[in-house]
Amino acid sequence: DSGVTQTPKHLITATGQRVTLRCSPRSGDLSVYWYQQSLDQGLQFLIQYYNGEERAKGNILERFSAQQFPDLHSELNLSSLELGDSALYFCASSVGSSGDQETQYFGPGTRLLVL
Amino acid sequence: ELKVEQNPLFLSMQEGKNYTIYCNYSTTSDRLYWYRQDPGKSLESLFVLLSNGAVKQEGRLMASLDTKARLSTLHITAAVHDLSATYFCAVVLSSGTYKYIFGTGTRLKVLA
Repeated sequence: DSGVTQTPKHLITATGQRVTLRCSPRSGDLSVYWYQQSLDQGLQFLIQYYNGEERAKGNILERFSAQQFPDLHSELNLSSLELGDSALYFCASSVGSSGDQETQYFGPGTRLLVL
Repeated sequence: ELKVEQNPLFLSMQEGKNYTIYCNYSTTSDRLYWYRQDPGKSLESLFVLLSNGAVKQEGRLMASLDTKARLSTLHITAAVHDLSATYFCAVVLSSGTYKYIFGTGTRLKVLA
């Protein structure tokens, strides 16, 4: 158990809908990262937050947004869902954002299926 | 454009044998990561490599980084069945637009 929790574990929804994925980092970790894993695209980095501020942005679509709250949990919002958004979404946390403090601990993932 | 290539994509090996997985990338990188993923499971961080010549070892796995050659290797010594998993490298380029690119993964199967 990495100490990172994600809810829900599974999510089935329809095209055009909006969903929110939640991530609670390990106690003491200030950075949260979001990733998408699909058969088509492989593993992709979406976005990173550090202590509430956006730190780095990867291949995150404009339909997607994220934030990190004062208690350090993070939410990834996916809107106007398309079939191609079906994927496994992981979050990870780390103590800091540089050097060995970047060792990331991954949550179990949320499996999203868009029908 | 930053590209990350891993080879081989699939690797089947006997227990007790040694093998190396390669991760090549196309432009100068700040750092490189190795991850492991068991089937149907999440990712596990293995190594963070921060500088040229960095070498890290954990159990039967050893990772190294040659930034001049733009190459990282993950060496497996005396493989055991428990090492069967998919291994990913990921490269970070943080000058200019931040890019964090994963390799395609190497699916390793260790046969008893």
